[in-house]
Amino acid sequence: DTGVSQNPRHKITKRGQNVTFRCDPISEHNRLYWYRQTLGQGPEFLTYFQNEAQLEKSRLLSDRFSAERPKGSFSTLEIQRTEQGDSAMYLCASSGTSGSINEQYFGPGTRLTVT
Amino acid sequence: AQSVAQPEDQVNVAEGNPLTVKCTYSVSGNPYLFWYVQYPNRGLQFLLKYITGDNLVKGSYGFEAEFNKSQTSFHLKKPSALVSDSALYFCAVRLPLISGNTGKLIFGQGTTLQVKP
Repeated sequence: DTGVSQNPRHKITKRGQNVTFRCDPISEHNRLYWYRQTLGQGPEFLTYFQNEAQLEKSRLLSDRFSAERPKGSFSTLEIQRTEQGDSAMYLCASSGTSGSINEQYFGPGTRLTVT
Repeated sequence: AQSVAQPEDQVNVAEGNPLTVKCTYSVSGNPYLFWYVQYPNRGLQFLLKYITGDNLVKGSYGFEAEFNKSQTSFHLKKPSALVSDSALYFCAVRLPLISGNTGKLIFGQGTTLQVKP
């Protein structure tokens, strides 16, 4: 499968715990995006990587959130001290080379439930 | 502020009838416009995009969309709906990759399409 993959698909955690999600983009894509989707809403942008550089972070990304993309390959999104309001679907997307007008390809998402 | 509006939470059509899912946007400059579809427990799938040129763009699964600059709209259409088209549809805009724009998508809230046999 050459699409975007995300792990785990589901995560249930207790409030206050830390969680980490992983995204593996399409191999030749240098652009990687994280979005968050809550029930009944469209996805909202969280952060963007071009290769290994994190070039934009949304106001939604509080200091409890951190994202990395070492070596410009896979990316991780960590949430520390989770809160119930963090419960959502976390989506990863990747797109092609810089300067071209390419659509973003989305992974299946990681559904986080904070109890 | 940049925004996308999908005025209908749900659209109901009978199989075989034409369908329209509405989208309007408020973005400075000349945005790029996209439609995505989301099936239950699956990620968003790209349907079509408008970048420039012909206002009518054709995409996957027989869908098409009409760009109207004066009305700032990008409505999704299909001449004959199928039951399998039932899903959640999202309109999205993206700014051109200039002046530091990173290509992030701004989504509408989504419209549930229900096609009945």
